[in-house]
Amino acid sequence: RKEVEQDPGPFNVPEGATVAFNCTYSNSASQSFFWYRQDCRKEPKLLMSVYSSGNEDGRFTAQLNRASQYISLLIRDSKLSDSATYLCVVNIANAGKSTFGDGTTLTVKP
Amino acid sequence: DAGVTQSPTHLIKTRGQQVTLRCSPKSGHDTVSWYQQALGQGPQFIFQYYEEEERQRGNFPDRFSGHQFPNYSSELNVNALLLGDSALYLCASSPGTGSNQPQHFGDGTRLSIL
Repeated sequence: RKEVEQDPGPFNVPEGATVAFNCTYSNSASQSFFWYRQDCRKEPKLLMSVYSSGNEDGRFTAQLNRASQYISLLIRDSKLSDSATYLCVVNIANAGKSTFGDGTTLTVKP
Repeated sequence: DAGVTQSPTHLIKTRGQQVTLRCSPKSGHDTVSWYQQALGQGPQFIFQYYEEEERQRGNFPDRFSGHQFPNYSSELNVNALLLGDSALYLCASSPGTGSNQPQHFGDGTRLSIL
């Protein structure tokens, strides 16, 4: 079983739709959580950090459930430019590395 | 404010050869991590360098080695290349080794082994 698991998708949605991605992690020592976005053949770019209280950045909302070891990302009012692969990332306390899921692919269509 | 820079962008090698990839961290960052990303997968952690020492290592063989220089830049060396080493190699930097710091990535080096 992978340390960080994501539904690979693909998710194909129309513009304006709301879409949610889920991520589970197995190491209870996980301390920090992030969502990254990766465009085709490009490097991952930080989308947002995920806080226990949940946090929002414009159309994007991230949630963390430590008890269930579960992270989510909600995208409202999807734009064509949101098409990308979304990577769930977990940092374990004192491990000095980031553990990535394999990503969920989103395609937003006109 | 320069971000993470990597060189070269692309590289083609044959089995058995050796390769060196280079990375300069984002300004103000002193910690460099290397990742390997195969097609359709997330980046896999290779190792991390801080204060010119390897601090953490992922599940990669000794053919993968690295170095960090006093100016915080880093190199990744891979010996005895295998076909399976074909991947995107990503360098990431952060300020310190704390687990609450997100990684900032370079554009990557796309390595193809023939």
